[in-house]
Amino acid sequence: QVQLVESGGGVVQPGRSLRLSCAASGFTFSIYGMHWVRQAPGKGLEWVAVLSSDGSNENYADSVKGRFTISRDNSKNTLYLQMNSLRHEDTAVYYCAKKAAGGVEASPDYWGQGTLVTVSS
Amino acid sequence: QTVVTQEPSFSVSPGGTVTLTCGLNSGSVSTNNYPSWYQQTPGQAPRTLIYSTNSRSSGVPDRFSGSILGNKAALIITGAQADDESTYYCVLYIHSLVWVFGGGTKLTVL
Repeated sequence: QVQLVESGGGVVQPGRSLRLSCAASGFTFSIYGMHWVRQAPGKGLEWVAVLSSDGSNENYADSVKGRFTISRDNSKNTLYLQMNSLRHEDTAVYYCAKKAAGGVEASPDYWGQGTLVTVSS
Repeated sequence: QTVVTQEPSFSVSPGGTVTLTCGLNSGSVSTNNYPSWYQQTPGQAPRTLIYSTNSRSSGVPDRFSGSILGNKAALIITGAQADDESTYYCVLYIHSLVWVFGGGTKLTVL
């Protein structure tokens, strides 16, 4: 069965960096695009970033563009999110999610359990 | 700025039918927005119910269905049960590898 396990969250000071990882299993990771989605405490879901199966196409929400970088290592079945210049408003649970079957427009289908990032001085 | 709109809250009686909607401030929702629907209870990760307008995710009962109604995407729940009490989110594909989530609908079953 599909499993996605995020790690790397924690408490970090404003302006610092953090890298999240998402270990995938139970499906052929290398043929699916992947999303990152976050949820601030008590708030709704916010789409963050997407990466194609081969890593050649990516995009970001305006709120993180220029600060966050999504990447993947298909040999390790792992997705990453490098977060730089972190702000208080980046505090959230970060979920990685496999893209549903379909084309570039596919939304998330399977989700990890999330990892909490707290940006605080 | 693209805003995806959902009813903030809704209530349904046990056994009843409810239709939750997902709209766009800039115009109509179509199948080209590939609307998807998620269910989330507090402290849990989202669970996918519907993707690409009306495709039911694995293991989702057929009480849940998706469609386009008028100029909005819709999630229809029939035979509502107590454990359907959750927050429901939609997401729309906007353009050029951009997705936007709605603010969520908190469904009460009473």
